Amino acid sequence: GQQLNQSPQSMFIQEGEDVSMNCTSSSIFNTWLWYKQDPGEGPVLLIALYKAGELTSNGRLTAQFGITRKDSFLNISASIPSDVGIYFCAGQLAGNQFYFGTGTSLTVIP
Amino acid sequence: DVKVTQSSRYLVKRTGEKVFLECVQDMDHENMFWYRQDPGLGLRLIYFSYDVKMKEKGDIPEGYSVSREKKERFSLILESASTNQTSMYLCASRIGTEAFFGQGTRLTVV
Repeated sequence: GQQLNQSPQSMFIQEGEDVSMNCTSSSIFNTWLWYKQDPGEGPVLLIALYKAGELTSNGRLTAQFGITRKDSFLNISASIPSDVGIYFCAGQLAGNQFYFGTGTSLTVIP
Repeated sequence: DVKVTQSSRYLVKRTGEKVFLECVQDMDHENMFWYRQDPGLGLRLIYFSYDVKMKEKGDIPEGYSVSREKKERFSLILESASTNQTSMYLCASRIGTEAFFGQGTRLTVV
């Protein structure tokens, strides 16, 4: 399967700090998605990106579809304790299948 | 709200047992997926289905089979469970680019 490299693997931050994570691939993707998985639950879609260069926000979250179409970035501003969880990127190639990154585990220290 | 329901949150099975993981979605989606989630490896696709009685292998189908007799139900079968199949299993249903996940089944094979 396709390899999506997600970094960092884990983050420990103070409440109120901003967070940045990214996802890179050797393949060109048509769609990039960002999911969040709360502890003990399934992932939930946060943001979907459909065009190279697209910048989309969802509250304190902002994601960008890289210009090369091989990467994507997620930023969280002013983190709060409920931001804790695992964040996954996912990319869609020309076909129907999605590929997921390895995840970034976020811990927010109050 | 789309609902994807997995029949069990936690399962403990013995090596060699036949194991059935059930997934039901209530939104008439054609696309359904089974993933396994392991620390540091992200979500890896086991099998997927685009229609009733249709199935396609994902990236790691070995040791698994699936059944889709009805549109709303997609079952994952471990023919003879082994300890290396201890994992979190996630079912997803998809329309367009958005996938909806179940809450996951944590399977332990002893």
